[in-house]
Amino acid sequence: DTAVSQTPKYLVTQMGNDKSIKCEQNLGHDTMYWYKQDSKKFLKIMFSYNNKELIINETVPNRFSPKSPDKAHLNLHINSLELGDSAVYFCASSLTGTSGRWETQYFGPGTRLLVL
Amino acid sequence: AQKITQTQPGMFVQEKEAVTLDCTYDTSDPSYGLFWYKQPSSGEMIFLIYQGSYDQQNATEGRYSLNFQKARKSANLVISASQLGDSAMYFCAMREPYSNSGYALNFGKGTSLLVTP
Repeated sequence: DTAVSQTPKYLVTQMGNDKSIKCEQNLGHDTMYWYKQDSKKFLKIMFSYNNKELIINETVPNRFSPKSPDKAHLNLHINSLELGDSAVYFCASSLTGTSGRWETQYFGPGTRLLVL
Repeated sequence: AQKITQTQPGMFVQEKEAVTLDCTYDTSDPSYGLFWYKQPSSGEMIFLIYQGSYDQQNATEGRYSLNFQKARKSANLVISASQLGDSAMYFCAMREPYSNSGYALNFGKGTSLLVTP
């Protein structure tokens, strides 16, 4: 009955590799997000998609490429991984076009990426 | 740009006591939403409570309540009757426009709460 799910939960890889993280939500939401949480626990928005359209693209290296095949899925592909990419990556979703509490974002369990 | 400030890096509270976690924000928008999330050691982000700028009453959700003081731009989280399971990081966040059509959460740095027996 998971609302927002992410795979994998843990990802350990070598520098220079390419990896993907997948996210799926079954809440019927139309907007999905990727956030990055650094080693100091600070959370920052990376990307957001609304109905498969990219609507937020923060200052993120081109090595990061999100893809949304449909509004229930949002994937994150990372090319040429670097040590500094080590972090926890959270997927989230919300329902837009409403206001207030109904725009609450619900988060997936996170993907802990460690680049060696 | 909007800004969220959580001035308490760490807090201790004894079980069954109440605790207040501080959050101040800065925005020039008259309409905004404030959120609190809990992140236990297992790592997931759990939504706790929401306060809208036009809400007439302070938000409450079970043992969680918001002490919302609009003029002071503060939205402090109050946890009543603390439990050991409340030990976690707590994040205050504000919904912020990042593009013409996109909103996202702008988070504070968090407060680590430890509940002691």
